[in-house]
Amino acid sequence: AQSVAQPEDQVNVAEGNPLTVKCTYSVSGNPYLFWYVQYPNRGLQFLLKYITGDNLVKGSYGFEAEFNKSQTSFHLKKPSALVSDSALYFCAVREQTGANNLFFGTGTRLTVIP
Amino acid sequence: GAVVSQHPSRVICKSGTSVKIECRSLDFQATTMFWYRQFPKQSLMLMATSNEGSKATYEQGVEKDKFLINHASLTLSTLTVTSAHPEDSSFYICSARFSTGGADTQYFGPGTRLTVL
Repeated sequence: AQSVAQPEDQVNVAEGNPLTVKCTYSVSGNPYLFWYVQYPNRGLQFLLKYITGDNLVKGSYGFEAEFNKSQTSFHLKKPSALVSDSALYFCAVREQTGANNLFFGTGTRLTVIP
Repeated sequence: GAVVSQHPSRVICKSGTSVKIECRSLDFQATTMFWYRQFPKQSLMLMATSNEGSKATYEQGVEKDKFLINHASLTLSTLTVTSAHPEDSSFYICSARFSTGGADTQYFGPGTRLTVL
């Protein structure tokens, strides 16, 4: 069975400060991991994904995420937050073999305070 | 990046009517598309997986006769909400799978806000 946990419903950070949005996952085998961002009344935009190889993945808009197999985590990070980063962020996982679709976390609302 | 469009973006209908939502992959072919439903302040709930040229696979608890899915071509999937009722009001999001030979990435449409009066 696959599952994703985003332990924080809400994250607040001051503009210019580093931000972290947490994600942990559970899969039977090896995972593919994804981060998406959703702005109000919009669909999801792809940010980045982990397939294999380098544990640090760089994505769109200056975001990056680090895959940690021992902690089964894939936290999203950005060195310096912008007000425009305020949105809803979803972590998702898919097994490398077997399941065809993504399993999503419940989302974390990021608010960057000017 | 790969672009997925959805139409309409917003629809209001009377109870008992049917509503069709279109999902198109604009610059790639998608053998697999997905339909999700999102309730306010909640995550996405997968409704069904749509495969080109074959019947859709529905998730447990999703009525296939109520939510009709057709994947007529490699770039178009449609979701028809039949005999809509107020409880069907929701945000519906489609997704198309872009195959790159490695880990396929799902790209999402902008969503359709359905309001049933």
